[in-house]
Amino acid sequence: QLQLQESGPGVVKPSETLSLTCTVSGGSISSVSYSWGWIRQAPGRGLEWIEIIYYSGGITFYNPSLKSRVTMSADTSKNQFSLKLSSVTAADTAVYYCARLSDLSGYPYFDSWGQGTLVTVSS
Amino acid sequence: SYVLTQPPSVSVAPGKTARIACGGNTIGSKGVHWYQQKPGQAPLLLMYYDSDRPSGIPERFSGSISGNTATLTISRVEAGDEADYYCQVWDSNNDHIVVFGGGTKLTVL
Repeated sequence: QLQLQESGPGVVKPSETLSLTCTVSGGSISSVSYSWGWIRQAPGRGLEWIEIIYYSGGITFYNPSLKSRVTMSADTSKNQFSLKLSSVTAADTAVYYCARLSDLSGYPYFDSWGQGTLVTVSS
Repeated sequence: SYVLTQPPSVSVAPGKTARIACGGNTIGSKGVHWYQQKPGQAPLLLMYYDSDRPSGIPERFSGSISGNTATLTISRVEAGDEADYYCQVWDSNNDHIVVFGGGTKLTVL
């Protein structure tokens, strides 16, 4: 059964870079059938998509509002993918989820999610 | 940018039917997906491609499209259905982005 697990610091200082890793078990991030992404949820707010990486094509798509600050990468040897968000502010405080993206008809959806990790931006 | 509009809240009595709307321009052409999120939990895929249920999702949950509105229908509502519900599409017409609706809090009275 596929499992995704986020890891990273729970607290990041303002202006620094937030770094998170998602470790995938029960499936390969190299699979051409799936892609991988990050979503976040600020306290008491809705879901906000951050980024998607289509590993098979090496293509990434970003939320335009975050594009200038976001970098996503993948390490197939460890079956992990990562997120870096630079120049963080208090507005970046959120639960960050990693998820698998399934797409059979050109309309992708997130079919498996990690449990999420809370990142607080605070000095 | 593409916008999905959901009512902030819907209330329903146990055993009744709840309908949660998700409005968007030409939404019928985009493939709508729905997620359920209970407090303190990660979202769970509830419906994909407008009306397909993943394995393990009860038949009480169904999806439909009419005009510019997608609707998630929950029949015979149970207390355990109380959660936040989000719709989602892929906007390939605008830089290929994921769009979530603002979410609807379902309260079971």
